[in-house]
Amino acid sequence: KAGVTQTPRYLIKTRGQQVTLSCSPISGHRSVSWYQQTPGQGLQFLFEYFSETQRNKGNFPGRFSGRQFSNSRSEMNVSTLELGDSALYLCASSLPRGDRGGNEQFFGPGTRLTVL
Amino acid sequence: QKEVEQNSGPLSVPEGAIASLNCTYSDRGSQSFFWYRQYSGKSPELIMSIYSNGDKEDGRFTAQLNKASQYVSLLIRDSQPSDSATYLCAGKGGFQKLVFGTGTRLLVSP
Repeated sequence: KAGVTQTPRYLIKTRGQQVTLSCSPISGHRSVSWYQQTPGQGLQFLFEYFSETQRNKGNFPGRFSGRQFSNSRSEMNVSTLELGDSALYLCASSLPRGDRGGNEQFFGPGTRLTVL
Repeated sequence: QKEVEQNSGPLSVPEGAIASLNCTYSDRGSQSFFWYRQYSGKSPELIMSIYSNGDKEDGRFTAQLNKASQYVSLLIRDSQPSDSATYLCAGKGGFQKLVFGTGTRLLVSP
């Protein structure tokens, strides 16, 4: 079974631009979560989508947004890029199980975004 | 207060020794816990999940959970240089978000 895929793998943008990142989950997985990882802050949760609905949201400004399509693929968008948005953006997919909260998340390779 | 706390390390162990990685959490509603391994420049890789109090073994890895003490640990037996990585602990309750610690860097010397 193919793993989580993310495109593009690397991206260089300038301040003020916007960017769209894409994530395709493992086949059959319906939940997609997005994270930002930086050396100083570690893994920070952005948002989670399940069945095209945002289920959880982290503490990021409104410039960060996302969506999920009917085939469970997800995109995240960052508008008006700032230097501090430079990070590794990770997507993780899971088979959400409501029982006892147990659902294992599997990460894609990430998109390395550099903002100049 | 951070919800999931880990010592950043580095934790240095010689090859063949047992590496013990620890994690504490503050949310008593957390029911599921996960250990991820992340090599430099790579994405996190799930190595263990644990949901019940006690020990769970998988090969050289043993995860331990103590909900009363709000404590999770990962033991790596017969540590190898290839185990050198950052180990991330994460916890989750119900449909809540998965919360990660900042990770412990493990160095296994030959």
